[in-house]
Amino acid sequence: DAGITQSPRYKITETGRQVTLMCHQTWSHSYMFWYRQDLGHGLRLIYYSAAADITDKGEVPDGYVVSRSKTENFPLTLESATRSQTSVYFCASSDPPGGSDEQFFGPGTRLTVL
Amino acid sequence: AQSVAQPEDQVNVAEGNPLTVKCTYSVSGNPYLFWYVQYPNRGLQFLLKYITGDNLVKGSYGFEAEFNKSQTSFHLKKPSALVSDSALYFCAVRDMNSGYSTLTFGKGTMLLVSP
Repeated sequence: DAGITQSPRYKITETGRQVTLMCHQTWSHSYMFWYRQDLGHGLRLIYYSAAADITDKGEVPDGYVVSRSKTENFPLTLESATRSQTSVYFCASSDPPGGSDEQFFGPGTRLTVL
Repeated sequence: AQSVAQPEDQVNVAEGNPLTVKCTYSVSGNPYLFWYVQYPNRGLQFLLKYITGDNLVKGSYGFEAEFNKSQTSFHLKKPSALVSDSALYFCAVRDMNSGYSTLTFGKGTMLLVSP
């Protein structure tokens, strides 16, 4: 299916465990983004990527790691999950990076850290 | 730095009445402005954007937004609300004069349309 997909859609893990959230897009968009959505905070940018092998920090990067070896994939890893990372995570993509382009969002991953 | 304020956590309106969801922004240069909608358990969907030109922008599902530079506002409007418009609405801004900068989102406004 064309578009942007995220997996898993729901994940429960324990404090201290490593968790990887997957994001895949079929449009060959150059830019990809990871956000977290929390009540009272709206959407906050974690990391973004302008192209394969180019990533940059957003507003709340601590505790997260990203990679982008292929244009279509942008996984987000929580190296040692904490309860404060319980959130809904959204991946997005956009192209061209001219500033006026809208972002397209995936369906989200609801992560619970016990 | 760029920022967005959505002063209302929730807006209530009766079906058939006009609706307005407020957004004000702050950027150092000129803004690109966006509205997104989020339905329950879904990702955000793009509604409309202001880049340049006409201050009244028309978007999906009958929504429109008015850009007001003097008031630094970009309020979302619809002439006649539907129950199906009930959702969470996000305003977002990007400074067009800062190279490629990321979007900054507001905290969202929940719109509830009653039958």
